[in-house]
Amino acid sequence: GAVVSQHPSRVICKSGTSVKIECRSLDFQATTMFWYRQFPKQSLMLMATSNEGSKATYEQGVEKDKFLINHASLTLSTLTVTSAHPEDSSFYICSARSDMTGVGETQYFGPGTRLLVL
Amino acid sequence: LAKTTQPISMDSYEGQEVNITCSHNNIATNDYITWYQQFPSQGPRFIIQGYKTKVTNEVASLFIPADRKSSTLSLPRVSLSDTAVYYCLVGGNYGGSQGNLIFGKGTKLSVKP
Repeated sequence: GAVVSQHPSRVICKSGTSVKIECRSLDFQATTMFWYRQFPKQSLMLMATSNEGSKATYEQGVEKDKFLINHASLTLSTLTVTSAHPEDSSFYICSARSDMTGVGETQYFGPGTRLLVL
Repeated sequence: LAKTTQPISMDSYEGQEVNITCSHNNIATNDYITWYQQFPSQGPRFIIQGYKTKVTNEVASLFIPADRKSSTLSLPRVSLSDTAVYYCLVGGNYGGSQGNLIFGKGTKLSVKP
């Protein structure tokens, strides 16, 4: 249980194009999902918190108009990198927090999407 | 959100027990402690979570002292496949539904034959 998928696993695009990454919780509902970015040999950096049915909350320094987040259902959040540039090349990882109540909380992470902008 | 401090790297040999300690001096009353494992080019994988005392599952144990200002992840009899980066995170609300998890630099564990 608690599986999170991402699609695509890797994508190569030309500079100036937009890329959409999907994050799905396969066997649980997730009102809240998170998007992270990870550069080589660095830790994960939280970009934004995605809430089903409402606007995403972005971390300081993350451009909301460049990284569009849509959380249309309890199992799907999408991240669109608009007008991608080479500096946007990175490893994008989503996570989903189960709506099940209980002790503490656990985020389950997707396998990541490798984006390369040429 | 409480900041965490972990050793940057650790080396071990196959079959040994590995203990990775994380400091979180500013942990809040409602924070819980979670450890993740990450292999290169993969998303983090949940290992274990706890609030206080000791927690054990099929892959690891988590020791949390009474003051909760630190925690120790214990991996019994590591193998080469345990070579990865291990992240200690504190945050969220105990029993609640709010809060984010902020990743620190993690500990790169290298297991040698």
